Amino acid sequence: KAGVTQTPRYLIKTRGQQVTLSCSPISGHRSVSWYQQTPGQGLQFLFEYFSETQRNKGNFPGRFSGRQFSNSRSEMNVSTLELGDSALYLCASSLFPGFNTEAFFGQGTRLTVV
Amino acid sequence: EDKVVQSPLSLVVHEGDTVTLNCSYEVTNFRSLLWYKQEKKAPTFLFMLTSSGIEKKSGRLSSILDKKELFSILNITATQTGDSAIYLCAVLDNNNDMRFGAGTRLTVKP
Repeated sequence: KAGVTQTPRYLIKTRGQQVTLSCSPISGHRSVSWYQQTPGQGLQFLFEYFSETQRNKGNFPGRFSGRQFSNSRSEMNVSTLELGDSALYLCASSLFPGFNTEAFFGQGTRLTVV
Repeated sequence: EDKVVQSPLSLVVHEGDTVTLNCSYEVTNFRSLLWYKQEKKAPTFLFMLTSSGIEKKSGRLSSILDKKELFSILNITATQTGDSAIYLCAVLDNNNDMRFGAGTRLTVKP
């Protein structure tokens, strides 16, 4: 059974650009959550999607957005990139929303903003 | 302000030692506490604790939650080098907001 797949694994962007990250959950999982991990702030929750609907959102500016498709794959978009957006972005999938079940994380996308 | 505090921030032990990692929290509308192990990149789920005083156990790892004193501990007995990782604690509230602690970096030396 394939795990959670995140693409790309590494990305370098310049300030002001936008970026789209992709996450394919485990087959059969309908809930996808996104997290940002930085050395300074640690791991922080971004948002959660279930059945193409955003169910929950963390405390991040509107430049961070996401969506989920009918096949449960999710994308996260960051517009007008800032240097502080450099981080490891992790995606996790689970059968159901609301963190009631075990969540499986992908390997992450390492975004560097220069 | 809601917060999750883990201690110690880092810990170095030798194989065979037993370690106890701590996670204290101040979160309104607490729902559950989760422990993750993070090696390299992807965290892996360890335990979810919702009820106070009930120990959860998986092999050499165990964890318990105290909802009165607002903390949880993660115990690892007979540590092995493969236990070296960052251990993350996260607290989930009834609004499904999830807050992570800064993590404890555990290094197990042979």
